[in-house]
Amino acid sequence: GAVVSQHPSWVICKSGTSVKIECRSLDFQATTMFWYRQFPKQSLMLMATSNEGSKATYEQGVEKDKFLINHASLTLSTLTVTSAHPEDSSFYICSARVDRSPMRTEAFFGQGTRLTVV
Amino acid sequence: RKEVEQDPGPFNVPEGATVAFNCTYSNSASQSFFWYRQDCRKEPKLLMSVYSSGNEDGRFTAQLNRASQYISLLIRDSKLSDSATYLCVVILYNQGGKLIFGQGTELSVKP
Repeated sequence: GAVVSQHPSWVICKSGTSVKIECRSLDFQATTMFWYRQFPKQSLMLMATSNEGSKATYEQGVEKDKFLINHASLTLSTLTVTSAHPEDSSFYICSARVDRSPMRTEAFFGQGTRLTVV
Repeated sequence: RKEVEQDPGPFNVPEGATVAFNCTYSNSASQSFFWYRQDCRKEPKLLMSVYSSGNEDGRFTAQLNRASQYISLLIRDSKLSDSATYLCVVILYNQGGKLIFGQGTELSVKP
């Protein structure tokens, strides 16, 4: 299957600082990537859809000025958590959708980033 | 109503047991369905796609009922290594192909 590399796998930062998370598709081009957040014992919640060369589409309740998404190339999408606070501590994970055929789609995930804000 | 809902779980079963998970979806435009497995503190991994005619992969059987808008996953002869959280996923093609996850059902297989 396709490989999605996410970096860093974990990060600890101070309150008020910004953290950038990278998501790369290694052996395919990803025109669309998704960013999710997962709190303990909860499901993955879609934060935004990242489209190469255009603005990201954010889900309701997700602050676009706090979670900056950039998808400058077909192989790289980044999520920057700006002015991080302890409540932003979570597991962030990216996913790339691969459309094999019109009705056959697969999703491949990065390894996830565990963010702890202290 | 959530777009994708799963059995709340957790399911605690002995080795060798057969266990079934159900998942319902609310958007009738959903066209693609999957079961993912997530181990603790790891990323989800595709277990199997779900096809309209139903499909089987070893001990795992997935079924789709479009009329009732639910999918199911059956695990036979469960192993200790099957312990994980199972996530139901649908793709909403009428919303840019978003992947929407259910809340997950935790399975614990005991010796």
